[in-house]
Amino acid sequence: DTGVSQDPRHKITKRGQNVTFRCDPISEHNRLYWYRQTLGQGPEFLTYFQNEAQLEKSRLLSDRFSAERPKGSFSTLEIQRTEQGDSAMYLCASSFIGATSPLHFGNGTRLTVT
Amino acid sequence: GENVEQHPSTLSVQEGDSAVIKCTYSDSASNYFPWYKQELGKGPQLIIDIRSNVGEKKDQRIAVTLNKTAKHFSLHITETQPEDSAVYFCAARTNNNDMRFGAGTRLTVKP
Repeated sequence: DTGVSQDPRHKITKRGQNVTFRCDPISEHNRLYWYRQTLGQGPEFLTYFQNEAQLEKSRLLSDRFSAERPKGSFSTLEIQRTEQGDSAMYLCASSFIGATSPLHFGNGTRLTVT
Repeated sequence: GENVEQHPSTLSVQEGDSAVIKCTYSDSASNYFPWYKQELGKGPQLIIDIRSNVGEKKDQRIAVTLNKTAKHFSLHITETQPEDSAVYFCAARTNNNDMRFGAGTRLTVKP
């Protein structure tokens, strides 16, 4: 399977703990995106990379969130000092460069903060 | 920034009937409009997309129409089947690469 893969699929953590998610994009894709999706809502943009450069961050991305894509391949999203409001599905997507290039999503990491 | 509104939030049809989902967008600079299908426990999967220089696009039982003047676009599914049951999202994107999604439509196709 050469699609976007995310790990882990599920994560349960206690409030205040740090968590890290990984995304492996489609290998030919230059761009990698992180989205957050809560129940009954569409995905909300968090940030995106073009190769290893982080080009845009949403105001939704608080200081507790940090994303990296050190070698322009896989990416990690870390949430520090998790809060119950962070509970959501975190989706990764990748695409070629271009405003009309479709995004290909992974199956997400579901985070539950207790 | 872009704002995308989608309706209805839920839609129930009989197998074989057609289903129509409508979206409006606010940013006239938006030029790319994809539709995604999301099944339980999975990420959104692209089913069809349309660019702003095209008014209509069709792929088998699925079609999308775009009215740039009115800033709305629609998804049409004909001859619906139970496996079409899922949540469908529209989205709109401008050149700044921020793709905004609608809130989704839960489609149920009753056999």
